[in-house]
Amino acid sequence: EAQVTQNPRYLITVTGKKLTVTCSQNMNHEYMSWYRQDPGLGLRQIYYSMNVEVTDKGDVPEGYKVSRKEKRNFPLILESPSPNQTSLYFCASSLSGNHYNEQFFGPGTRLTVL
Amino acid sequence: AQSVTQLDSQVPVFEEAPVELRCNYSSSVSVYLFWYVQYPNQGLQLLLKYLSGSTLVESINGFEAEFNKSQTSFHLRKPSVHISDTAEYFCAVRAPLWPGGSTLGRLYFGRGTQLTVWP
Repeated sequence: EAQVTQNPRYLITVTGKKLTVTCSQNMNHEYMSWYRQDPGLGLRQIYYSMNVEVTDKGDVPEGYKVSRKEKRNFPLILESPSPNQTSLYFCASSLSGNHYNEQFFGPGTRLTVL
Repeated sequence: AQSVTQLDSQVPVFEEAPVELRCNYSSSVSVYLFWYVQYPNQGLQLLLKYLSGSTLVESINGFEAEFNKSQTSFHLRKPSVHISDTAEYFCAVRAPLWPGGSTLGRLYFGRGTQLTVWP
């Protein structure tokens, strides 16, 4: 089944403890992206990747890192999480960065930073 | 830059009533428009999209949206809703080119409209 998977689905952590949220897609997509969803703000892009080893900042990159060493994986790294990073995170992928390609979303990771 | 405005954060309706979820966008370039739906505790799913051609697009579950370039709108409609349509709906735009000329493939979302259908 073609899909985007994220792990973990739920995570509660404490301020300053490094964490990684994994994202993997099995559709051979070039483009991958991370979003955070907050009440009343919709989805905002954190980072995106046009292809392997090509990443760039979205609208809210502060406090996050990403890497794209393989086509299928695009982990999101929080080196020192803070409470304002409590949010619902979605990974998405599409065939390419072209405007007409649909983005497929993962199920989401709900992160709470205490 | 592109931006999307969803005018209603909450839309409560009774079952079998018609509904319209409003979406307006602003852009200095041609854009491509999408509606995504998020059911409770799930990720986002594409509902329908407008890329080119007929300005009226339809989904498989009875929703339709009409692209209106002069009003910069892409409102979502359904003539008769079901309880199972209860979800959050997001309008999004994706531009083929940024004004600076680089293609970034970014998707911009509105803040979402929570549709609640009551029996």
